[in-house]
Amino acid sequence: GAGVSQSPSNKVTEKGKDVELRCDPISGHTALYWYRQSLGQGLEFLIYFQGNSAPDKSGLPSDRFSAERTGGSVSTLTIQRTQQEDSAVYLCASSAFPGVEGTEAFFGQGTRLTVV
Amino acid sequence: AQSVTQLDSHVSVSEGTPVLLRCNYSSSYSPSLFWYVQHPNKGLQLLLKYTSAATLVKGINGFEAEFKKSETSFHLTKPSAHMSDAAEYFCVVTPAGGYNKLIFGAGTRLAVHP
Repeated sequence: GAGVSQSPSNKVTEKGKDVELRCDPISGHTALYWYRQSLGQGLEFLIYFQGNSAPDKSGLPSDRFSAERTGGSVSTLTIQRTQQEDSAVYLCASSAFPGVEGTEAFFGQGTRLTVV
Repeated sequence: AQSVTQLDSHVSVSEGTPVLLRCNYSSSYSPSLFWYVQHPNKGLQLLLKYTSAATLVKGINGFEAEFKKSETSFHLTKPSAHMSDAAEYFCVVTPAGGYNKLIFGAGTRLAVHP
């Protein structure tokens, strides 16, 4: 595919369950970002992967949140023991040349997570 | 530290009138600046981007933005609003260099009235 792909597009889960959200970045893009957008809010940075460097996890809101990126490509965001406040749209983005002037990020359509 | 301030959380205009969405940034490095648009229940789409090549940038759908270093601003404008412009707009800064974290403003919701 030509764009960033996220799955599932919608996820409803019960409070306390674990969920996994998947992101397939654009092929060849070395940088990958996860953001969270709660209802009526802006974008909250979660985590950033760049090549083989250690990820920037400074935005993860609690230790229930984790993410990995396998083989420098696909990324999975895992939320353990989900809480109602985790309900949000989770957005993934990738970019080709981070640090190069004007490099834009391409966003997926997001995963809408609802915790009931 | 880098930051972005969008000065208006909501802007309301009439169709056919000009649009101005304000953005101020703070960056320790030569920044790249972007405007993204998000229509309801849609993903984020790039409107335009600034690099050092030109201070006046033209984007899609008739939008423009002007980089003013002295004012640390990157305001988004359009001469004539269309109903389809109703959306959320985000100003984004990334510092040049090896670390390219995207720093988002809080967003401005644009309403366009007939």
